[in-house]
Amino acid sequence: GNSVTQMEGPVTLSEEAFLTINCTYTATGYPSLFWYVQYPGEGLQLLLKATKADDKGSNKGFEATYRKETTSFHLEKGSVQVSDSAVYFCALSEENTPLVFGKGTRLSVIA
Amino acid sequence: GAGVSQSPSNKVTEKGKDVELRCDPISGHTALYWYRQSLGQGLEFLIYFQGNSAPDKSGLPSDRFSAERTGGSVSTLTIQRTQQEDSAVYLCASSPYGGRGLGYTFGSGTRLTVV
Repeated sequence: GNSVTQMEGPVTLSEEAFLTINCTYTATGYPSLFWYVQYPGEGLQLLLKATKADDKGSNKGFEATYRKETTSFHLEKGSVQVSDSAVYFCALSEENTPLVFGKGTRLSVIA
Repeated sequence: GAGVSQSPSNKVTEKGKDVELRCDPISGHTALYWYRQSLGQGLEFLIYFQGNSAPDKSGLPSDRFSAERTGGSVSTLTIQRTQQEDSAVYLCASSPYGGRGLGYTFGSGTRLTVV
């Protein structure tokens, strides 16, 4: 079945550091890929998405590129802020199937 | 309403009791999903409703779990004879599309604690 594996946290960074959260996937077909974010005390929100190979999703300074050859969708940000502290979930979906999520990576950014 | 509404926001129940969790999706969204978020386990898919089709129940962990969606709108997730391992945050999402993971809006969840 389909699955998503993402790096375990927690990840602790200083403000303005570079962020990478690794995500790899297993799928039977050609999925769409997503990053969701859950800020403290808030609900799950879509951060960015990519629907086909080589697409780059971007939002709020975060980027991820759909790499079919390596089955990866790593999340990156060049300079993190304290307000980026949250739990980040990588997810995939194929046609007419619900989102499948990774276990989440908690990011803490300290000033 | 403007978003997906879940109630109650918190529920504490005794082991062995039944509980019902409610989800009000965004009006007009044909697809509705239930997930469970446990510490260290990420989001686990439970059940998926799409329009008038038979629901996809493949994620329900046991026959103590069931869900229904009345009139294509409100959904209720029922857990019978609750166990301590059922303690988790139960999330509902709705989507206008029903495919390829697009357009999901999540509710704030119901935190269930079984004591």
